[in-house]
Amino acid sequence: SAVISQKPSRDICQRGTSLTIQCQVDSQVTMMFWYRQQPGQSLTLIATANQGSEATYESGFVIDKFPISRPNLTFSTLTVSNMSPEDSSIYLCSVRQAAYEQYFGPGTRLTVT
Amino acid sequence: GIQVEQSPPDLILQEGANSTLRCNFSDSVNNLQWFHQNPWGQLINLFYIPSGTKQNGRLSATTVATERYSLLYISSSQTTDSGVYFCAVDGPQRGTASKLTFGTGTRLQVTL
Repeated sequence: SAVISQKPSRDICQRGTSLTIQCQVDSQVTMMFWYRQQPGQSLTLIATANQGSEATYESGFVIDKFPISRPNLTFSTLTVSNMSPEDSSIYLCSVRQAAYEQYFGPGTRLTVT
Repeated sequence: GIQVEQSPPDLILQEGANSTLRCNFSDSVNNLQWFHQNPWGQLINLFYIPSGTKQNGRLSATTVATERYSLLYISSSQTTDSGVYFCAVDGPQRGTASKLTFGTGTRLQVTL
């Protein structure tokens, strides 16, 4: 299984600012994903991070709010822009290797005040 | 898109008891995974089980793909089993269009 790390592990940010979350994988992976988990809720897919091209966003998520980069097969970033308290969530990076099994990073716990 | 329902939503057990968690899904799947989210938020892979039965220690899982459900069995529960259990499915699209959809989860609390 892949070993996934995320930075930062948690942060407290002010309304109107932006935060960039980094995801690093210890091996090359075909597919990388970003999920959001709002307090007490399940996980929702934000987007698929495509290497060398623009990310594919799910309904309800837009590039201006959640820009994503994926410069190579082991690294991706998610930026949460112009934050409001409603953006307080856990953000998780996920990867898929062989077949369909997915693995998740430890998450970034974001609080917006 | 595919719908995933889990039951029960909440479960309280005494240590040593057994339990069964259920996951129903609305379409054919390429992938079905069970995860345990511990109190610190980490998602731990329990089973990759698009069909059939698997066992790992006190945990086992069965997926009946033709009837679109999966069951997670926890035997002799321990306080460390507490947390939220998620079922997630991927399908019926394949390749780069496939994506994991999570159920609503079952929150388990194991007491002494």
